[in-house]
Amino acid sequence: LAKTTQPISMDSYEGQEVNITCSHNNIATNDYITWYQQFPSQGPRFIIQGYKTKVTNEVASLFIPADRKSSTLSLPRVSLSDTAVYYCPEYGGATNKLIFGTGTLLAVQP
Amino acid sequence: SQTIHQWPATLVQPVGSPLSLECTVEGTSNPNLYWYRQAAGRGLQLLFYSVGIGQISSEVPQNLSASRPQDRQFILSSKKLLLSDSGFYLCACQHSKNYGYTFGSGTRLTVV
Repeated sequence: LAKTTQPISMDSYEGQEVNITCSHNNIATNDYITWYQQFPSQGPRFIIQGYKTKVTNEVASLFIPADRKSSTLSLPRVSLSDTAVYYCPEYGGATNKLIFGTGTLLAVQP
Repeated sequence: SQTIHQWPATLVQPVGSPLSLECTVEGTSNPNLYWYRQAAGRGLQLLFYSVGIGQISSEVPQNLSASRPQDRQFILSSKKLLLSDSGFYLCACQHSKNYGYTFGSGTRLTVV
């Protein structure tokens, strides 16, 4: 099963906006795009999901173009506590199972 | 919202010993349930998933098995552990398609 593609790592400084882009070249018509955050030694935490255009919640914004072949997770004004691995997994077929890649390690520095 | 209880948090087991990890879910009924394993510094590998009681699908051939004896209980087992079974095991549930997954806090298994 093809996985999504995202950068292995990103660096940022406190207070900056961070945008992490993911490629969804094999996304199915009915599948939502989801993003997760994982801290060391913890399970991933669901952050946000969307189908197309823009979605915003208290944590992040998600931008999805019309062709849905990519998505961009936007974290406004990051802090040190946003240092984590961010995943954009892909659904694997009709069984709703999520296929995770290696994610993007975001390192926020003071 | 769903809550997943997963225990123990850490476990050290000798090679050849059996394994039983349990996961229970609260706050939903008839969820899809999943077992993932994460090696150090790596992504999550899907091991098993279940869409209902007694229904188990395996993703990769391995030394592990899974069972779902009750709607909100998911168990990961092994008869004889191998060194390669070491890792961080995560249980997850999903209420229905296109809902986010809820993950448990994980079990760090070290086989020695």
